[in-house]
Amino acid sequence: QKEVEQDPGPLSVPEGAIVSLNCTYSNSAFQYFMWYRQYSRKGPELLMYTYSSGNKEDGRFTAQVDKSSKYISLFIRDSQPSDSATYLCAFQRMDSNYQLIWGAGTKLIIKP
Amino acid sequence: KAGVTQTPRYLIKTRGQQVTLSCSPISGHRSVSWYQQTPGQGLQFLFEYFSETQRNKGNFPGRFSGRQFSNSRSEMNVSTLELGDSALYLCASSAGTPQDTQYFGPGTRLTVL
Repeated sequence: QKEVEQDPGPLSVPEGAIVSLNCTYSNSAFQYFMWYRQYSRKGPELLMYTYSSGNKEDGRFTAQVDKSSKYISLFIRDSQPSDSATYLCAFQRMDSNYQLIWGAGTKLIIKP
Repeated sequence: KAGVTQTPRYLIKTRGQQVTLSCSPISGHRSVSWYQQTPGQGLQFLFEYFSETQRNKGNFPGRFSGRQFSNSRSEMNVSTLELGDSALYLCASSAGTPQDTQYFGPGTRLTVL
């Protein structure tokens, strides 16, 4: 079993829709949860991060973590064509290992 | 502040050759991490350097090596290239503590023929 599972998509939705992106993980040592966005021909950029279970909101984006179910989500409200990108979840342990463990990435397409 | 830069952006090599990729981190950042990104495997961690020392290493064969210079610039070397080494190689820089954000460069696209 992989440490992180993420549906690669593609996920295609109309402009203005609410988008839900998800990852599951198996390592209970993960304590730091991140979402990165990667546009074509670019490196990933950090979108949101959180340490704790619950919701964290930033504009149109909400990150949700459920540690008991080992499940994280990213919600995008009022989706725009400019949100079309690959979204990657990433995880980190809170010990001396600084390595990030990544999901495969979900390709999101917002249709105008 | 200038972002992370990687050179070259594109590279074509043949099997058996070796290649060196370069990464210049954001000014003031002392940590540089290298990742391999492929459609099948996603992003996989290669290694991380901090203050010229390799601090973490992923599960890649010894053909993959790196180093960091006193100005925090880093190089990654792959010897005896294989077809499966074709990938996007990304470097990321950070200040160096676990919670620090990693900032990625645009990557070097390596094609092995």
